[in-house]
Amino acid sequence: GAVVSQHPSRVICKSGTSVKIECRSLDFQATTMFWYRQFPKQSLMLMATSNEGSKATYEQGVEKDKFLINHASLTLSTLTVTSAHPEDSSFYICSATDGGTGEAFFGQGTRLTVV
Amino acid sequence: DAKTTQPPSMDCAEGRAANLPCNHSTISGNEYVYWYRQIHSQGPQYIIHGLKNNETNEMASLIITEDRKSSTLILPHATLRDTAVYYCIVRSNTGNQFYFGTGTSLTVIP
Repeated sequence: GAVVSQHPSRVICKSGTSVKIECRSLDFQATTMFWYRQFPKQSLMLMATSNEGSKATYEQGVEKDKFLINHASLTLSTLTVTSAHPEDSSFYICSATDGGTGEAFFGQGTRLTVV
Repeated sequence: DAKTTQPPSMDCAEGRAANLPCNHSTISGNEYVYWYRQIHSQGPQYIIHGLKNNETNEMASLIITEDRKSSTLILPHATLRDTAVYYCIVRSNTGNQFYFGTGTSLTVIP
């Protein structure tokens, strides 16, 4: 089946630094990718929709200048957490929609810890 | 916003069938019912989806009521590895986003 790969799976960074998370669709082209955030014992919260070749669409309450999204190709979207703070520590998950079938596939997630 | 309601937690004995209910009373005619599960610290895993007919695959069965306002996911012979949070999501066939509700935390007991 189709695979969506995230990298890194875990990252620890210092407060004030920026962290980039990659999301790749490995065997299909994804015109749309999505970024979610999940805090402990909570559900996944949609942060933004990443559209190839255009600006991302952010959900209400998500700071677009803090969570920079780039979707430069049909197989890669990146999420950059800028000037990270401890409250940004979370599990970040991406998903990608196969443009041909419409099916959605999820990455394995990235555990971000800001110290 | 999530349009589904699920019980927060359930237990099931190993080897027995696990029946997970979901209410989606405001579902629209073009919206499908999707089920995903999430094992701790992993990304969601697709289980099954359906529109109005009952569906079955190698993982589970999906029973959708005739009025489509509720559904039940059935894991026929639960194993310890089925312990996870199960999410029921409604989504149109032309839509893209998944909005997750709180899900049901299923614990399979030996």
